Amino acid sequence: QVQLVESGGGVVQPGRSLRLSCAGVGFTFSTYVMHWVRQGPGKGLEWVGFMSYDERNDCYADSVKGRFTISRDNSKNTMYLQMNSLRAEDTAIYYCARESDAFDTWGQGTMVTVSS
Amino acid sequence: QAGLTQPPSVSKGLRQTATLTCTGNSNNVGNQGAAWLQQHHGHPPKLLSYRNNNRPSGISERFSASRSGNTASLTITGLQPDDEADYYCSAWDRGLSVWVFGGGTKLTVL
Repeated sequence: QVQLVESGGGVVQPGRSLRLSCAGVGFTFSTYVMHWVRQGPGKGLEWVGFMSYDERNDCYADSVKGRFTISRDNSKNTMYLQMNSLRAEDTAIYYCARESDAFDTWGQGTMVTVSS
Repeated sequence: QAGLTQPPSVSKGLRQTATLTCTGNSNNVGNQGAAWLQQHHGHPPKLLSYRNNNRPSGISERFSASRSGNTASLTITGLQPDDEADYYCSAWDRGLSVWVFGGGTKLTVL
């Protein structure tokens, strides 16, 4: 069964860092572009960024560029989101999603709360 | 980064037909069309269609998508109570090299 499992969320103070993980199960992880998408409380979906299947290319939304970094370890079927200099407006559920023409598989999400 | 434009809410009666719209520009919706996602409260999104009217396996034929110029549409026929959810469109923007989402439409089934 194709599945994505996020972990690593929690409560963090403004300015601090946090790393999220996304594990892929039931498919050949190394052949898919993978994305992070977030959803603030009561808000819509916001694309965060993606990492190509071969780890050569990444791309980010302006709102996180320079603060967030996506990486992946295909040997572990896992993608990561390193979030630095966190702000209150980064508070959201963070989903990872697999790209197959569009976002065809989503994880359950992990909650990140940035608060002092 | 500007997103796609969706009406905030649509209300229709049981067994009626709802059409949701998503407006972008020639770099996103007008280029490769839009994907549509359904999200029930407290759950992750689920892909309904991609590149205008390709449905993943398991998605009901009651959901059909189309595009005219820079506007994509999702039509849901025979509305059921479980269709009450938030619906999002998304597209790759070749000009900005980013994915963009619409703000979402809350569909209420009366």
